[in-house]
Amino acid sequence: QKEVEQNSGPLSVPEGAIASLNCTYSDRGSQSFFWYRQYSGKSPELIMFIYSNGDKEDGRFTAQLNKASQYVSLLIRDSQPSDSATYLCAVNKRGRDDKIIFGKGTRLHILP
Amino acid sequence: DAEITQSPRHKITETGRQVTLACHQTWNHNNMFWYRQDLGHGLRLIHYSYGVQDTNKGEVSDGYSVSRSNTEDLPLTLESAASSQTSVYFCASSGNNEQYFGPGTRLTVT
Repeated sequence: QKEVEQNSGPLSVPEGAIASLNCTYSDRGSQSFFWYRQYSGKSPELIMFIYSNGDKEDGRFTAQLNKASQYVSLLIRDSQPSDSATYLCAVNKRGRDDKIIFGKGTRLHILP
Repeated sequence: DAEITQSPRHKITETGRQVTLACHQTWNHNNMFWYRQDLGHGLRLIHYSYGVQDTNKGEVSDGYSVSRSNTEDLPLTLESAASSQTSVYFCASSGNNEQYFGPGTRLTVT
């Protein structure tokens, strides 16, 4: 089982709709969870992190964490064409802090 | 503003040559990382460091080495470049559980 799994996509969502991106992880001891956005040809950019079960909202973005199900999701409300990118889920493993394991990413395409 | 820089941004080299990619951060972070990113594989950790004189191997460390002589720099050396090392390389640093990436170096080994 891969440590961090994401559907590679592409996920196509109409402009203005909610985009839902999902991620599962294998290490039950994982403590911190991150979502990065990566535009084509650019470096990953941190957009959200979450540590506790439940929801965390930041503007149009909501991260959701369910540790019992080992599941993390990112919701993007009112999707815009500028949200078209690859979204990387990342997890801090048990043990030393700040060693982050990345999923392969989900490509999101917002349809104008 | 604090930042991470990488140089060169693009590099073409021949098989068998030694290549060093530079990474410099002004965040004053103790933790620094090198990743490579390839289609179908995502970001893979090559080496990482938690402080001066500390280096650790990641999941794809064969053929690569790093050294950490100060807080700001973590150069990545390819001892004898191979075509399989053609990739985009990202340096990152982290503090307060937030990780920031440099702009990347596109390396082509011919």
